[in-house]
Amino acid sequence: GENVEQHPSTLSVQEGDSAVIKCTYSDSASNYFPWYKQELGKRPQLIIDIRSNVGEKKDQRIAVTLNKTAKHFSLHITETQPEDSAVYFCAASTYSGGRGSTLGRLYFGRGTQLTVWP
Amino acid sequence: NAGVTQTPKFRVLKTGQSMTLLCAQDMNHEYMYWYRQDPGMGLRLIHYSVGEGTTAKGEVPDGYNVSRLKKQNFLLGLESAAPSQTSVYFCASSSTGAFEAFFGQGTRLTVV
Repeated sequence: GENVEQHPSTLSVQEGDSAVIKCTYSDSASNYFPWYKQELGKRPQLIIDIRSNVGEKKDQRIAVTLNKTAKHFSLHITETQPEDSAVYFCAASTYSGGRGSTLGRLYFGRGTQLTVWP
Repeated sequence: NAGVTQTPKFRVLKTGQSMTLLCAQDMNHEYMYWYRQDPGMGLRLIHYSVGEGTTAKGEVPDGYNVSRLKKQNFLLGLESAAPSQTSVYFCASSSTGAFEAFFGQGTRLTVV
């Protein structure tokens, strides 16, 4: 199965600085890469995702980049704010549009605790 | 629109006791999942379902059973709870299986 590794496990930045979280995956068939944010005591929620036919995607202060050749993808948060403090999870999946025993599985990284200091 | 709802939110069990966690979704999603979250371990898939009447094992299925008798419900059972099953359990659902997963609010289970 897929193996997703995520680094760093903890990250502290000053408010206004940028934060970068990196993930690698092992299965070249993976074609969908979401990022989830989990605030303390809350449920994980999707913040951005990217499909393998795209190299970069932006949404306001967050962006995700994908390097299919190297099998890694990264989350970039610019102008960080204290409310960005949370655990961030990357994930990888394979989607072919049909039904099957391995469809629908998200393989998660172990998470990155981001702390933004005011 | 409630989304994904888990019952109960908290539970304390004694070793050897059994219990069932209920997950209900009202979005007509085909795919449903049960994850456990432990510190430093991320979200690990226990079991999942790709449709009503189907179930499949995930990464850490031992000690758990599941059933999906109705499309909107996915039950997770612990037949004989062990302290190693102390964790936060999340249910999730998605419409295709590879796109946005909607999570429930979590169930904090402690086995003593």
